Amino acid sequence: GDSVTQMEGPVTLSEEAFLTINCTYTATGYPSLFWYVQYPGEGLQLLLKATKADDKGSNKGFEATYRKETTSFHLEKGSVQVSDSAVYFCALSFYDYKLSFGAGTTVTVRA
Amino acid sequence: GAVVSQHPSRVICKSGTSVKIECRSLDFQATTMFWYRQFPKQSLMLMATSNEGSKATYEQGVEKDKFLINHASLTLSTLTVTSAHPEDSSFYICSAREDSDGYTFGSGTRLTVV
Repeated sequence: GDSVTQMEGPVTLSEEAFLTINCTYTATGYPSLFWYVQYPGEGLQLLLKATKADDKGSNKGFEATYRKETTSFHLEKGSVQVSDSAVYFCALSFYDYKLSFGAGTTVTVRA
Repeated sequence: GAVVSQHPSRVICKSGTSVKIECRSLDFQATTMFWYRQFPKQSLMLMATSNEGSKATYEQGVEKDKFLINHASLTLSTLTVTSAHPEDSSFYICSAREDSDGYTFGSGTRLTVV
């Protein structure tokens, strides 16, 4: 079945460090891909998305490119801030609109 | 942007009682809503897909008689946890799909059964 695999956390970084969270997927066909962020005690917020191969999603300094050849959608940010501390989820969906989530990666940014 | 309001944010109930959680789309019509359950430090598990005017579709392993879903209007879906027990304690999150292939999530409900 369709699935998403994320790098395991937790990830701890210093402010202004470079962040990468790896995400690969297994699916029949070409799903839409998403990154969601969850702050403590809250629901999920869409961070960015890409709906077809080679699309680049970007938001708040975060970027991810839909790579069909490597079935990947890695999340990157060049300079993280303490406020970026959260849990990040990679997800995919098809026409049935169900979202399949990765396990989540906890990121902690220290001042 | 689109907003999904979920209430209550926290609820504590006694074992054996039922709890209702509401999920409302505030500025758009949601023909489809989704209910997820999240265990501590784990990912979201899809419980069911709620379709306006029809029966919900439950994922394998989810007891439909325990987790009752009603989607009576285009802006409201409810999840009722019936005869709750401590093992039902969890974080429940709803999501609504907009026509533009976007998903908006509620802020979640922390259920504690004592």
